[in-house]
Amino acid sequence: DAGVIQSPRHEVTEMGQEVTLRCKPISGHNSLFWYRQTMMRGLELLIYFNNNVPIDDSGMPEDRFSAKMPNASFSTLKIQPSEPRDSAVYFCASSLRGGKADEQFFGPGTRLTVL
Amino acid sequence: QQPVQSPQAVILREGEDAVINCSSSKALYSVHWYRQKHGEAPVFLMILLKGGEQKGHEKISASFNEKKQQSSLYLTASQLSYSGTYFCGTGTGGGNKLTFGTGTQLKVEL
Repeated sequence: DAGVIQSPRHEVTEMGQEVTLRCKPISGHNSLFWYRQTMMRGLELLIYFNNNVPIDDSGMPEDRFSAKMPNASFSTLKIQPSEPRDSAVYFCASSLRGGKADEQFFGPGTRLTVL
Repeated sequence: QQPVQSPQAVILREGEDAVINCSSSKALYSVHWYRQKHGEAPVFLMILLKGGEQKGHEKISASFNEKKQQSSLYLTASQLSYSGTYFCGTGTGGGNKLTFGTGTQLKVEL
């Protein structure tokens, strides 16, 4: 099994530019999570999907952030326009059913730097 | 609110034991434990569910005290490979999301 795949692994962009992060969950997993990790705030859940439907987006910082899951094997997190405070490592994770008793498998992350 | 972990950091000699605690202000349904090495993704260690259970994984085990809304991770006879940051992730009554704790940096030295 390839595990959760994220791209790009590193992204450097300038303030105001649009950034799109991509995630391919583990085949057969029904739930997908987007997290952001910073030194100051730790690991924060941004949004999660069950069966491609967004269930809880209360962690999305503001309207500049949006996430989609058009099918079971692909999700995107978009930031438009990006700001320096968005610099962080963004992780995507998937789990079989998404329940509180299910293990989450994390992807390698995308390190985003906004100049 | 984020669960609070203690200690924030700990340094061990190889072979020593350690305990990492995770406390929540909310009633817990589940506690997940993950380890993250520098520059890598968090890796799952174990899940504990409501019911006060204990689980073990090699020389790493954990307990879950539902009444105290706490979980503890026990590392015995530590190895160099145990170095990393340990996170607890707590699941509460509403929804399926986890809230991750503040993290505990553990370093094992020779």
